[in-house]
Amino acid sequence: AQTVTQSQPEMSVQEAETVTLSCTYDTSESDYYLFWYKQPPSRQMILVIRQEAYKQQNATENRFSVNFQKAAKSFSLKISDSQLGDAAMYFCAYRRQGGSEKLVFGKGTKLTVNP
Amino acid sequence: DTAVSQTPKYLVTQMGNDKSIKCEQNLGHDTMYWYKQDSKKFLKIMFSYNNKELIINETVPNRFSPKSPDKAHLNLHINSLELGDSAVYFCASSGPTSNEKLFFGSGTQLSVL
Repeated sequence: AQTVTQSQPEMSVQEAETVTLSCTYDTSESDYYLFWYKQPPSRQMILVIRQEAYKQQNATENRFSVNFQKAAKSFSLKISDSQLGDAAMYFCAYRRQGGSEKLVFGKGTKLTVNP
Repeated sequence: DTAVSQTPKYLVTQMGNDKSIKCEQNLGHDTMYWYKQDSKKFLKIMFSYNNKELIINETVPNRFSPKSPDKAHLNLHINSLELGDSAVYFCASSGPTSNEKLFFGSGTQLSVL
């Protein structure tokens, strides 16, 4: 069974600084997708960034970027120029290839942004 | 228009009662899911349906019964509610046009007293 591990239950960062959230996963599949979702206090699940396993190039979305190391099964999220609105729970998630596959989530990292 | 909508947003009820949570998506997706988020924020799949057919049932007690009248709706009925059922329940959907990501509803916070 696929598992996703986020080893940092909590992280904090100063406004305008950079922070990296860690994620590792376990799978025997070669084709799959990885995601970072953000959950602010509003409870809404918001997709931050997505990576296809077959792509070597790391995904970027504005201030958010990932470091995808397929061999090491590592998928970290870097947030640059942190803003107060980035404070939230961040979940790393894995999905096998296939239209009806489920998302498997890590336990989350609570990010605090200090002014 | 909300893509995935669930009602109600909050549900407070007594132990032993039966309650339902409704979910609708207007994205034309084929697959819908129910996730449970516990007090420690852990998100775990409960069920998934594809075109009204049950695909995933992850060792959920029989007191939980999903129903999908059509592919745009997936409702969750819970019988004989227990204290441990208190959680946030999320509906989600995905489809060929969703680029492999799941779209989530805003969640239903269930409190069993």
